[in-house]
Amino acid sequence: DVKVTQSSRYLVKRTGEKVFLECVQDMDHENMFWYRQDPGLGLRLIYFSYDVKMKEKGDIPEGYSVSREKKERFSLILESASTNQTSMYLCASSSREQYFGPGTRLTVT
Amino acid sequence: RKEVEQDPGPFNVPEGATVAFNCTYSNSASQSFFWYRQDCRKEPKLLMSVYSSGNEDGRFTAQLNRASQYISLLIRDSKLSDSATYLCVVKDYSGSARQLTFGSGTQLTVLP
Repeated sequence: DVKVTQSSRYLVKRTGEKVFLECVQDMDHENMFWYRQDPGLGLRLIYFSYDVKMKEKGDIPEGYSVSREKKERFSLILESASTNQTSMYLCASSSREQYFGPGTRLTVT
Repeated sequence: RKEVEQDPGPFNVPEGATVAFNCTYSNSASQSFFWYRQDCRKEPKLLMSVYSSGNEDGRFTAQLNRASQYISLLIRDSKLSDSATYLCVVKDYSGSARQLTFGSGTQLTVLP
């Protein structure tokens, strides 16, 4: 069975903190993605990776960075969290279809 | 103009009703189409792919109209458990893995 896991379901951080969100997939997929989802805006792509150590910016990369040191793991980093980064963060991996992790609801206060 | 547009709803229908959602896309080069379902506070999950000839999976039927650039999802005999947000997803093969575009979703509530 397909599985994408994320390190936390809920996270509360303070403004200015560095935040790490981790995602692991067990399907040997080459492609992995980070999205954020906000009411009325739908899913927006932050970054994606098509291979180990390879990454590309999505539609809203500002304020974020990513790391992919191993094929199964894709990390999203908020260098200095801000309140406008409060959101639901969804990781996905894909061959043809995308499979999502359960999401991390991040609140920045 | 959004690349993928959906009526946000909400659609409130009684149990047993038939309901249809449409989704339009702007990129004529789009190659693959999907419907995802997202329950409240959960992740999106693939409901079905949409094939050129149309396809059916139980009570769910998906259609593609390339000339008019829209896809549709028909749900027959609605169940309470069908209540969710339905996301239209479009993919084109421009050489990058990123080319997957999500609609904002259509909210469906099936009422007893």
